[in-house]
Amino acid sequence: DAKTTQPTSMDCAEGRAANLPCNHSTISGNEYVYWYRQIHSQGPQYIIHGLKNNETNEMASLIITEDRKSSTLILPHATLRDTAVYYCIVLSGGWAGNMLTFGGGTRLMVKP
Amino acid sequence: DAGITQSPRHKVTETGTPVTLRCHQTENHRYMYWYRQDPGHGLRLIHYSYGVKDTDKGEVSDGYSVSRSKTEDFLLTLESATSSQTSVYFCATDDSGTGGVETQYFGPGTRLLVL
Repeated sequence: DAKTTQPTSMDCAEGRAANLPCNHSTISGNEYVYWYRQIHSQGPQYIIHGLKNNETNEMASLIITEDRKSSTLILPHATLRDTAVYYCIVLSGGWAGNMLTFGGGTRLMVKP
Repeated sequence: DAGITQSPRHKVTETGTPVTLRCHQTENHRYMYWYRQDPGHGLRLIHYSYGVKDTDKGEVSDGYSVSRSKTEDFLLTLESATSSQTSVYFCATDDSGTGGVETQYFGPGTRLLVL
């Protein structure tokens, strides 16, 4: 699976959009981009995933560049409860299911 | 929330003792996983299971064994606990079918301290 690079930390004002970037320049054609987050002392939580088209769900939007080498997770109206570590993961499906290997992630701090 | 519970939630044990962590799910998901999370390492896969009695090793399986005798339960055993196994352990389940895109649901975690 391709390696990802994320900023270590970011701040965002409450009510504003949080834009979290991820670089995955070695992604291959059959690999998806997944985003998870982990709120302090809790298990990771799935947010969104995509292959090449932009995706939106009730939690966030995922923008993937045309060359698929990078993506941005957008939390449209960040709240204090969105303070968490956000992980960008690239992986492909397989017979054994997907094995998630998290890197360091981005620590997002939403401030009042 | 995929109805995943982990027990115990916290445990303190001594070096050299065996420890078993339990993961229980109520969703009948086929795949189950054990991860450990350490500062600076993110989550690392220990073992996973793709069905009853079907298990395989992950990235950091040394010193750990697993068993899955029922769909709903996945046990992780530290045969002889060491201080390097002090960590937070997460169980996850997966509702994938034969492959492709799917998501994993994580339990609340077990904090293990080996003295």
